[in-house]
Amino acid sequence: NAGVTQTPKFRVLKTGQSMTLLCAQDMNHEYMYWYRQDPGMGLRLIHYSVGEGTTAKGEVPDGYNVSRLKKQNFLLGLESAAPSQTSVYFCASSRGARGEQYFGPGTRLTVT
Amino acid sequence: DQQVKQNSPSLSVQEGRISILNCDYTNSMFDYFLWYKKYPAEGPTFLISISSIKDKNEDGRFTVFLNKSAKHLSLHIVPSQPGDSAVYFCAASVRGGSRLTFGEGTQLTVNP
Repeated sequence: NAGVTQTPKFRVLKTGQSMTLLCAQDMNHEYMYWYRQDPGMGLRLIHYSVGEGTTAKGEVPDGYNVSRLKKQNFLLGLESAAPSQTSVYFCASSRGARGEQYFGPGTRLTVT
Repeated sequence: DQQVKQNSPSLSVQEGRISILNCDYTNSMFDYFLWYKKYPAEGPTFLISISSIKDKNEDGRFTVFLNKSAKHLSLHIVPSQPGDSAVYFCAASVRGGSRLTFGEGTQLTVNP
């Protein structure tokens, strides 16, 4: 099993450009999450999904959109990138509401 | 409003000694707590968890203690090994919820 994979691993964007980050999991998990990690701030939840076709806002959702068209995939979109969105983005999944979340390796995004 | 706080950005211990990582929280609705370990350029991995109905949980060299009245939890690693050198995050969720709130992280360095 690959677990949780993220594409791409690195990306540099110019301000105003758009992009989509892809997260895939092969554990048949219902719940999926997108976090961002910034220095000294831990991980902050952007959006999450409790099942295929559902999405919900997390702690810092502004400037991001998500979609969960298939159970195994969770996409994070930036419509108009800003330098404040420079961060490391982690996707995670979990079987249910409780229990551990399994994280992907992260995507390092730089917006210039 | 930082609901989960790790006040020590870094901790250095000698191999074979005990490492104690601390975490404080303010939200009295939190009832499930987790510790994650993160190596550079990797996603966080689950270490150990504890429910609010317990005050201690052990798993091999790792023990988590929960003091609900003080809203404080700690992770003990005994004995510490150089491979334990990583960033440790504590996280918490409210009753019935899947969303995790993370602390800022503590960089543990175990010196041979």
